[in-house]
This record gives sequence, structure tokens and C-alpha cells, in this order.
Amino acid sequence: DAKTTQPTSMDCAEGRAANLPCNHSTISGNEYVYWYRQIHSQGPQYIIHGLKNNETNEMASLIITEDRKSSTLILPHATLRDTAVYYCIVAKTSYDKVIFGPGTSLSVIP
Amino acid sequence: SAVISQKPSRDICQRGTSLTIQCQVDSQVTMMFWYRQQPGQSLTLIATANQGSEATYESGFVIDKFPISRPNLTFSTLTVSNMSPEDSSIYLCSVEGPGYGADTQYFGPGTRLTVL
Repeated sequence: DAKTTQPTSMDCAEGRAANLPCNHSTISGNEYVYWYRQIHSQGPQYIIHGLKNNETNEMASLIITEDRKSSTLILPHATLRDTAVYYCIVAKTSYDKVIFGPGTSLSVIP
Repeated sequence: SAVISQKPSRDICQRGTSLTIQCQVDSQVTMMFWYRQQPGQSLTLIATANQGSEATYESGFVIDKFPISRPNLTFSTLTVSNMSPEDSSIYLCSVEGPGYGADTQYFGPGTRLTVL
């Protein structure tokens, strides 16, 4: 079973920040939080990952709470092309098998 | 990043037949993974394939139904055997690979299988 829980769906206005929450209350000390997304009819795409510090790259920011039991993926300026299903996953490394939950279906609205 | 291709991209098959899906990577990787995504569902891991050893199957998946080959570090095949309409899904391979300062997984584009 997936170790994370996410809202089923969310809407975001184009140009605004999209904040996608994820709960992972049973995360262990050596597990990372990974985020992937799947645009319709494509394979999943890696977005970002982190252990306990906040992380930022050209795609998104990842905010992890101090107790590591939850995190938030932030897309700072959502575009229509960000409409996708977003998966939050915990795993020791990418060598660890990745178990996908149902994810959050994000719709970016014009 | 790793570039992954899959063949075929889609196929329509008759029940009772078998289909072999190929996954080719542009660099050598240790671990390859095969996933199934049924219509409207999330991805489900079928098995992990390491070069030179038997694939490790997840609960609910067996080698007789989904035999996997891993002849070298850049290639793998998944066969869907004795197909039924319930096997209609997207099948994806993924590999671990370097990226963004730490290893991540990269996914192929998927093979869309329809069984009639």
C-alpha cells in the first residue's frame, strides 16, 4: 500500500501558485519524499525530492515539515501545461521500488 | 537524464495471444522496473528486473503470466501471456538513473495494450 495520502483533486488558476499537500506520517528516517507527475497519456516525470530540508529547482519547490510527516509541492506560477496527476511518494532511494498511490489530479484553469 | 523507448507504442490483440513489449535505454542501468496502469487508475508495480538475475515479482503478478527478460544493462522485455480483456492497460518501464544530484526514476512513454 502507498505510504502517502493526497487530496483526490485540486483546481488552480493559471498564473497562481499551486500548493499540493501530502501526508506521510509513517515516513522513516532514511526515506525521501519524491514527487512525480503524469501528464495525460505520458509516462510519469520526476519533479523534485527531499529528505528533510526544503528544496527548490526550476520546476517546483518542496516544503517538508520539521517532523517530516507532511510536505507541500509548490508550482510557483501554474500554467495550463501543469495540468496533470501529481504523485507524492516516499522511498529510500530511487533504487527502492516506487509505490504509487492515486495521486492528486491538478487542473489549471484559464 | 536517461532516454527510454518502448516498442510497440500501442497494440490491439486478440484474447489468448501473447505480446512482448520492449524497453530500450540509452545508458547502462542496474535496475529496471515494469509497471501496469489500468484505465483511470494509478501505476502498479509488476516486477523489478536486474541484469543477470531472475526478476522479482510483486504480489498478484506471476512469472508465467508476465515473463521478463533482462539480457543486458540497456534492454528488457515484458511479455503479457495468454491475454484477456482485463489485461488492457498501459505498460511502462522505468529505470533508475542519475539526476538532480541524486538518483531518480525515469519512465518510458508506455505501451497501450487493448485486448479484444
